[in-house]
Amino acid sequence: ETGVTQSPTHLIKTRGQQVTLRCSSQSGHNTVSWYQQALGQGPQFIFQYYREEENGRGNFPPRFSGLQFPNYSSELNVNALELDDSALYLCASSSGTGVVTEAFFGQGTRLTVV
Amino acid sequence: EDQVTQSPEALRLQEGESSSLNCSYTVSGLRGLFWYRQDPGKGPEFLFTLYSAGEEKEKERLKATLTKKESFLHITAPKPEDSATYLCAVQGNYGQNFVFGPGTRLSVLP
Repeated sequence: ETGVTQSPTHLIKTRGQQVTLRCSSQSGHNTVSWYQQALGQGPQFIFQYYREEENGRGNFPPRFSGLQFPNYSSELNVNALELDDSALYLCASSSGTGVVTEAFFGQGTRLTVV
Repeated sequence: EDQVTQSPEALRLQEGESSSLNCSYTVSGLRGLFWYRQDPGKGPEFLFTLYSAGEEKEKERLKATLTKKESFLHITAPKPEDSATYLCAVQGNYGQNFVFGPGTRLSVLP
């Protein structure tokens, strides 16, 4: 079991609402990456935070935003929810910004938009 | 653009029937290739990192190998508890993120 925890585990929201997902990174890790995984597909990179700064972003619109706190935990915020935002949201904890030796994932947050 | 494909999409094996999963990749300079196991509704579980062609790593019934264009995950004498989706991901030179393949869904029947 990894030291990466995500909350909540499940969430149901209505189209147009806003949502905040949370991730606590593993001890000793200062980098958090967020991924979206649709059913039956591989995870898609949303963005990464390193020492409280955004350090890379995938092909997601600006309504997906994030934060990283001094203790390296992180939040993913999604505004104006759309039905297609329904997915498993994963955070990954790692160290540094160079070659990744290991990255551990949390259990994910299952978001359903109705 | 970095890309990862995996085959087969799904694989059914009898307990004890060894096989291999394939991960093919195109990447702008490979920093690392990663294998994960994912159970339904859960986050991916880290298995291996491979860095250069010719490298091999083993863990219990699993062995991962790497060439310049693909990686194989060999499963020897699998058990039903090995049933899961196996994901392959690469980290390229120009990004801090992983690019994942779609996964191979493995079912091991008793």
